[in-house]
Amino acid sequence: GEDVEQSLFLSVREGDSSVINCTYTDSSSTYLYWYKQEPGAGLQLLTYIFSNMDMKQDQRLTVLLNKKDKHLSLRIADTQTGDSAIYFCAERGSGGYNKLIFGAGTRLAVHP
Amino acid sequence: DGGITQSPKYLFRKEGQNVTLSCEQNLNHDAMYWYRQDPGQGLRLIYYSQIVNDFQKGDIAEGYSVSREKKESFPLTVTSAQKNPTAFYLCASSDGHTLRGNQPQHFGDGTRLSIL
Repeated sequence: GEDVEQSLFLSVREGDSSVINCTYTDSSSTYLYWYKQEPGAGLQLLTYIFSNMDMKQDQRLTVLLNKKDKHLSLRIADTQTGDSAIYFCAERGSGGYNKLIFGAGTRLAVHP
Repeated sequence: DGGITQSPKYLFRKEGQNVTLSCEQNLNHDAMYWYRQDPGQGLRLIYYSQIVNDFQKGDIAEGYSVSREKKESFPLTVTSAQKNPTAFYLCASSDGHTLRGNQPQHFGDGTRLSIL
């Protein structure tokens, strides 16, 4: 079946890099997404990667995809206090519609 | 500005009562979705609609109902049959309803439902 797993918590110092990891099970996934959720708010799309890519960079964000191991990571360079949030990994599953399978989310805490 | 509007932000339900959560989008998206979020868990799909006048059950549809009479609106009713309705409800929409390319889902700001 389809499943997405993430570690639940990450703590980093301001200015350091953060790496949030995700594993997924559906080898037929076409797109993988990273969303950010701040307290009491909805999900904000941060970035995505197509399954035939290994890496995608977007300003401070770098996404790495290891399709063989079904492993996805999000690196945030120069992490700031405003980056404190929950980060969700999601895969677009196989099937006839645009179904997303979400991980449980990783809570990123940035401390001075 | 284009976006997705969910209302109300907070909602309280009494025992035996049905309540309706509103979701409106002006992104001209064909597809709309309702998710439930519980603490420490990922989002779970309740219902989705790929096009007007059509909708399908998601993974946890029991105790919920929806309608899709207009492209921009997808209200969710939490019925009295839903015994554990306390959660954060998120509405999303996306462009298109097939596997044409990248169609990321865009989310509203959510409605928090609690039991009185």
